[in-house]
Amino acid sequence: KAGVTQTPRYLIKTRGQQVTLSCSPISGHRSVSWYQQTPGQGLQFLFEYFSETQRNKGNFPGRFSGRQFSNSRSEMNVSTLELGDSALYLCASSPPGREDYYEQYFGPGTRLTVT
Amino acid sequence: QKEVEQNSGPLSVPEGAIASLNCTYSDRVSQSFFWYRQYSGKSPELIMSIYSNGDKEDGRFTAQLNKASQYVSLLIRDSQPSDSATYLCAVNVGRLPGGGADGLTFGKGTHLIIQP
Repeated sequence: KAGVTQTPRYLIKTRGQQVTLSCSPISGHRSVSWYQQTPGQGLQFLFEYFSETQRNKGNFPGRFSGRQFSNSRSEMNVSTLELGDSALYLCASSPPGREDYYEQYFGPGTRLTVT
Repeated sequence: QKEVEQNSGPLSVPEGAIASLNCTYSDRVSQSFFWYRQYSGKSPELIMSIYSNGDKEDGRFTAQLNKASQYVSLLIRDSQPSDSATYLCAVNVGRLPGGGADGLTFGKGTHLIIQP
């Protein structure tokens, strides 16, 4: 079974621009979560989607948003990029029945650099 | 503020020995506990999950959970150079009544080095 896929893998943007990242969960997984990983803050939870609904959101500004489609694929958007948004953005999906335990499998990530 | 604490290391262990990684967490209602392995430049890989007190073994890996002490550990037996990586402890309170939760809370990770 294919793992979580994320596109693009690398991205360079300029301050003030916006960016959209895409994630396809493991087949059959309906819960998708997004995380930001930086050297200073480590891995931090952004939000979770299940059946096209945002169930939870971490402590990030409103510039960070997401959505989920009927096929469970998810996108996250960051508007008005700041230098501090440079990070590895990770998507993770949970197997059916394990969503509430947050047993999660990560994709390879998108490395975003803001200049 | 939920916190997960790990010794950042590096923890250096000879090949073939047992590597012991420790993690403490602050939220007493935490229910789900995970260990992830992350190689440099790669994404985290789930290697162990544990939900109840005691030990859980999977191959060379053993996870240990003590909820009273708010402590979870990972033992790696017969350590191999390929085990050299950063090990992340992650904790979650599970789905709360009313549906609230906030994803996994991760420690900063322990850098493990297995010396040949």
